Amino acid sequence: GENVEQHPSTLSVQEGDSAVIKCTYSDSASNYFPWYKQELGKRPQLIIDIRSNVGEKKDQRIAVTLNKTAKHFSLHITETQPEDSAVYFCAAFLRGNKLVFGAGTILRVKS
Amino acid sequence: EAEVAQSPRYKITEKSQAVAFWCDPISGHATLYWYRQILGQGPELLVQFQDESVVDDSQLPKDRFSAERLKGVDSTLKIQPAELGDSAMYLCASSLMDQETQYFGPGTRLLVL
Repeated sequence: GENVEQHPSTLSVQEGDSAVIKCTYSDSASNYFPWYKQELGKRPQLIIDIRSNVGEKKDQRIAVTLNKTAKHFSLHITETQPEDSAVYFCAAFLRGNKLVFGAGTILRVKS
Repeated sequence: EAEVAQSPRYKITEKSQAVAFWCDPISGHATLYWYRQILGQGPELLVQFQDESVVDDSQLPKDRFSAERLKGVDSTLKIQPAELGDSAMYLCASSLMDQETQYFGPGTRLLVL
């Protein structure tokens, strides 16, 4: 079926290290891939997104890469800080123009 | 910065009761979405509106859930009767157009006892 697989489900890193979260999707026609950060009890907030006409996008310490051939995309956070601790969701527009979310990754940055 | 508004933020109800949630999207956003988020999972789309019209309600349990956006602005999601399994966070989101960036509201956390 149409889905987005996300891993790892939990990720623990030391402050200052990098964190990488990976997602794969099923629909080769997907063309938009956002990443959301959700802190406990708060709304999901868009942190970065990428469209299928580019392979990489960067915004300060956050970057997203897209491999359309392999149907996977990744979130990279460099120089992690304690305030980066949250749940991160990837998503993709799948067939039917519906945004489908991954199951989420709990990121813990240890200081 | 404009944000999506939702109310109430929290709702506790007993099973078989009726509940209603309200959402006010960002001004000018034509597309409005209702999602359900179960603890530990990603949001799942329940219904999508384009202006006042439903464009996708394939995942909405229509025997007990209903949604409307009568004037194409704010929206109401209703559950009647509520069941224990409906306990979740109900998120509203809006976007300027279909397939554009979606912005989420703070959500309504529902607990059914």
